[in-house]
Amino acid sequence: AQTVTQSQPEMSVQEAETVTLSCTYDTSESDYYLFWYKQPPSRQMILVIRQEAYKQQNATENRFSVNFQKAAKSFSLKISDSQLGDAAMYFCAYRGHSRNTPLVFGKGTRLSVIA
Amino acid sequence: KAGVTQTPRYLIKTRGQQVTLSCSPISGHRSVSWYQQTPGQGLQFLFEYFSETQRNKGNFPGRFSGRQFSNSRSEMNVSTLELGDSALYLCASSLDTGANTGELFFGEGSRLTVL
Repeated sequence: AQTVTQSQPEMSVQEAETVTLSCTYDTSESDYYLFWYKQPPSRQMILVIRQEAYKQQNATENRFSVNFQKAAKSFSLKISDSQLGDAAMYFCAYRGHSRNTPLVFGKGTRLSVIA
Repeated sequence: KAGVTQTPRYLIKTRGQQVTLSCSPISGHRSVSWYQQTPGQGLQFLFEYFSETQRNKGNFPGRFSGRQFSNSRSEMNVSTLELGDSALYLCASSLDTGANTGELFFGEGSRLTVL
C-alpha cells in the first residue's frame, strides 16, 4: 500500500521569507500524481499544486513550487515570499494513475506565518 | 460553477444514534469520495462512488455506508455511533474522464460530535 510521510508536524516562517515543507512517499507504481493541498482554519481543502510523475519538470504555481525527486520518492513544497494568508495545514497527497485509486494523505504540516 | 456542498455543516449526536451526511458534487463530476479527518489519524479514506456504484472502499467497519444517486449527489450514513466517530467528514468530487488530472475538489466538511 502507498504511504505518504510528512516529517514536520509544525513549521513557522517570517513574512516575506521562504519555507520548504517536506514529503516522502512509498509506492511501487511508476505513474502517479502528487499533490499539495492547503487547509486554512476555515477547513476547506484547496489544491496548491500538482505534479505528474512522468513529468521531470518541477511544477510551479506563482509563489509555490515543488522539488520532485522521483528516484528518492521525495516531493517537497517551497513557498516563496510567505504571506499571512499562507498560514494553514498543508497536506501532501499521492494518487495512483488508475481512476479508482483513492487519494492517500500525509499527516500534514501546520505552517505559521509570523508578521 | 458552484463548489462541493456538504450538509449539515455541524451536528451533535449521542452514542448509539445514526447520522446521514449529504454531499452535492460540482456539476459534471461523477466521482464522489468521502474522507474522515481526525487530529490523531489524519485524513482517512472511507469510500468512493462513481455512477451510483461503490468503486473503492477504505478500512472502516460496516457501520459506515454510503450511496450515490443518479444526479451524482452522495450520502454517507454512520449507524450505532461511537465516541470515536467524532470527526470532520469531508466529501470530494472529481472529473473522472480520460483526461483525468487526479485532482479532488473538497467541500467544507460536516463536523460530527458524538456525546
